[in-house]
Amino acid sequence: GNSVTQMEGPVTLSEEAFLTINCTYTATGYPSLFWYVQYPGEGLQLLLKATKADDKGSNKGFEATYRKETTSFHLEKGSVQVSDSAVYFCALSGNTGNQFYFGTGTSLTVIP
Amino acid sequence: EAQVTQNPRYLITVTGKKLTVTCSQNMNHEYMSWYRQDPGLGLRQIYYSMNVEVTDKGDVPEGYKVSRKEKRNFPLILESPSPNQTSLYFCASSSRPPGQADTDTQYFGPGTRLTVL
Repeated sequence: GNSVTQMEGPVTLSEEAFLTINCTYTATGYPSLFWYVQYPGEGLQLLLKATKADDKGSNKGFEATYRKETTSFHLEKGSVQVSDSAVYFCALSGNTGNQFYFGTGTSLTVIP
Repeated sequence: EAQVTQNPRYLITVTGKKLTVTCSQNMNHEYMSWYRQDPGLGLRQIYYSMNVEVTDKGDVPEGYKVSRKEKRNFPLILESPSPNQTSLYFCASSSRPPGQADTDTQYFGPGTRLTVL
């Protein structure tokens, strides 16, 4: 079946530090992969996505590369800001079903 | 403005008292979905709808019902709520369902925090 495994949080970083949040997946076929972000008190917003192997999604300084050989889609940012404090969710949509699958979420706090 | 709206945003109720959470989208999206978010479990899909009059179970459908009589609306019904349904609920929509080429983004509502006593 389809599933997403995300690194456990919470993660606390100082401003301008490098961020990596690990995400691995299990899926049949060729899924599309997503990172969503949830700011306090809000719904989820799409951060970036990749629809095929070796694609790199990027947005607002965040990047993630779809690695089929390692079934991973790790989120990275070179220099985090206080405003990046949020919960980040890795997700996939399979090409053999009609559902979305989310990881458990990783809480990030960036301190000045 | 493109958006997904949910009502109510907050609800406290008692065990067994039927309730409905409404969801509406103004983007003419075909695919709509309900999720619940619980600490340590992330988001889990309850039900989804591919189009009007087409609904199907997600991973955690027990205790919930849905209907899709109009394209824009997708209400979530709890016929007899229980305390284990206390959770944060999100409605979402997208123009195309997952599994198609260039799967479209899901747009999420602001959430409904439900407490069942």
